[in-house]
Order: sequence, then C-alpha cells, then structure tokens
Amino acid sequence: NAGVTQTPKFRVLKTGQSMTLLCAQDMNHEYMYWYRQDPGMGLRLIHYSVGEGTTAKGEVPDGYNVSRLKKQNFLLGLESAAPSQTSVYFCASSYPDTGVAFFGQGTRLTVV
Amino acid sequence: DAKTTQPNSMESNEEEPVHLPCNHSTISGTDYIHWYRQLPSQGPEYVIHGLTSNVNNRMASLAIAEDRKSSTLILHRATLRDAAVYYCILVDSSYKLIFGSGTRLLVRP
Repeated sequence: NAGVTQTPKFRVLKTGQSMTLLCAQDMNHEYMYWYRQDPGMGLRLIHYSVGEGTTAKGEVPDGYNVSRLKKQNFLLGLESAAPSQTSVYFCASSYPDTGVAFFGQGTRLTVV
Repeated sequence: DAKTTQPNSMESNEEEPVHLPCNHSTISGTDYIHWYRQLPSQGPEYVIHGLTSNVNNRMASLAIAEDRKSSTLILHRATLRDAAVYYCILVDSSYKLIFGSGTRLLVRP
C-alpha cells in the first residue's frame, strides 16, 4: 500500500512564485490535513478537510489555500511564496472514527 | 483545543524501559489521548491511543490516570531505533491533531 504520498519531495521557489503541493491517499480516509514544520519545532496545522468538497482553517492558514475536489487528494497552494514559508510540509489522512492519522514523508520547500 | 505539557527531553539506556509523561489537565470527557512519534527526517508515526482504560499494542503501552489529567507512554525495552520526538495529543470530535513541542527521547547504547 502506498498510504499517503506527497508530491514533490523537494522544491525551491523564488519569492513571489506560486506552486501547488499534492497529497494523495489510497486508504479511503475522510479526513485530510496539511501541516508545516519549521526547524526544531513541532507541526502546525495549516488547513484540514473533513470530506470531499470541504475545507477548514487550522492554526496558521494565512498565505495558503487548499482544495479537496476528490476524496483521495488534498492540494495545498501558495499563491505568492515568501521566505517565511520555507519549511517542511506534511500531509496526513485519518479515519473518522478513531482519529488515527497516517503521514506522508514530507515536502521540503525553500523560498529564496 | 485542549493543551498538553511534556518534558522537552528525556534520556534512556538501551534495553531499559522508558516512561514518557504527559499532562493534560484541561482534557474534556470525550477527548482521546493519542501518541505519535517522529523519527529524524520522517513524518510522524502513530504509536497508540486511548480514552479511559490502559492500552497495549506491539509498540508500546499507554497508562491513563484515573482522573485522565495525565498519561504515560511506556516503551518496555528501548532500542536505538526508538530515538525520536514523541508527541502527546488530545483529539476531540473534530479530529484535528494539534501538535505541541513533544519530548525528544535520547537512547544511549
């Protein structure tokens, strides 16, 4: 099983550029999440989704947008990248009845 | 979102048991207690979760205080591969996972 797959794994952006991070899960999970993790810190929730077509803001949503057009995919967009968005981004999905989450391996994004 | 408090770091010797504490004094009656760990350069990994009773699985045991204001993750025999950051998280009915700063576990050979 692939589990949770994030694309790409690494990316370097120039300030002001836009990009989309893709998260795909093959476990038929209802819930999906996007986090960012800065060096030496814990994970912070950016946005999450409780089902296809729904999204909600997390702890640090500013500067990001998300979409969940298909149940298995959750997209994270940066419209105008800033150096402060340099971070490792993790996607996760979970069962709705237990809340047990599975995480992807992360996308390392550098904005110069 | 209810908060948890964990020590910043702990050390253990290989093959000895490790008890990782977590305080969650503001826990509500329906919050689940989840533990995840994050190995270096990897995404977090689920370890165990519980509501009121103690729980065991192949990775660890979870001991929950009777008043549910604290819990302890128990690794019965620490190995070098258990060196990681361990996160204690309260999960409510929204199923948002809000991470704190966790406990960094160092395992000495």
